[in-house]
Amino acid sequence: QVQLVESGGGLVKPGGSLRLSCAASGFTFSDYYMSWVRQAPGKGLEWISYISSGDETTSYADSVQGRFTISRDNAKNSLYLQMNSLRAEDTAVYYCARYRLAAIMDYWGQGTLVTVSS
Amino acid sequence: DIVMTQSPDSLAVSLGERATINCKSSQSVLYSSNNKNHLAWYQQKPGQPPKLLIYWASTRESGVPDRFSGSGSGTDFTLTISSLQAEDVAVYYCQQYYGTRRTFGQGTKVEIK
Repeated sequence: QVQLVESGGGLVKPGGSLRLSCAASGFTFSDYYMSWVRQAPGKGLEWISYISSGDETTSYADSVQGRFTISRDNAKNSLYLQMNSLRAEDTAVYYCARYRLAAIMDYWGQGTLVTVSS
Repeated sequence: DIVMTQSPDSLAVSLGERATINCKSSQSVLYSSNNKNHLAWYQQKPGQPPKLLIYWASTRESGVPDRFSGSGSGTDFTLTISSLQAEDVAVYYCQQYYGTRRTFGQGTKVEIK
């Protein structure tokens, strides 16, 4: 069955960096676009980035453009999110999600919590 | 970016009654090349990740009970729960996948009256 497991979250100071990982299993990872979505405590969902199946195309929300970088390693069935220059407003649960047909987010991980605080 | 606006922000419905959630996009999400509305609905229960319910505005995901239905086209969409069950208490989000940058509505919280 499809499984997505995020890791790498934790407490980081403002201005710091963190790298999130998402380990995928149960499907052919290299066939699917992947995405990161976040949810601040008590708030709604915010799409932040996606990457195409072969790593050719990426896109970012304005809120993270220039600070976050999405990447993948198809040989390791893994998705990554490098987060730099972190701010308090980046505090959230970060989910990775699979895109079906390069469009629909059909499977989601359980999320990893990132807290940005001094 | 396409802005998605849901209404209401919350609603309380009696068990067995109908719940209706509206979603409006700031521009049409009907893609002319495939004549499909690029809109999905998700359900999120406390402490859980979102779950895909509906895509292409009206196609139910496998395993989703048929009391959930989606309708609408262009800029105006509706998620209907025909007979609310206790397990349907959750926050529901619409999301467009027309634009490169996906956007979600702010969410609608559904509770039992």
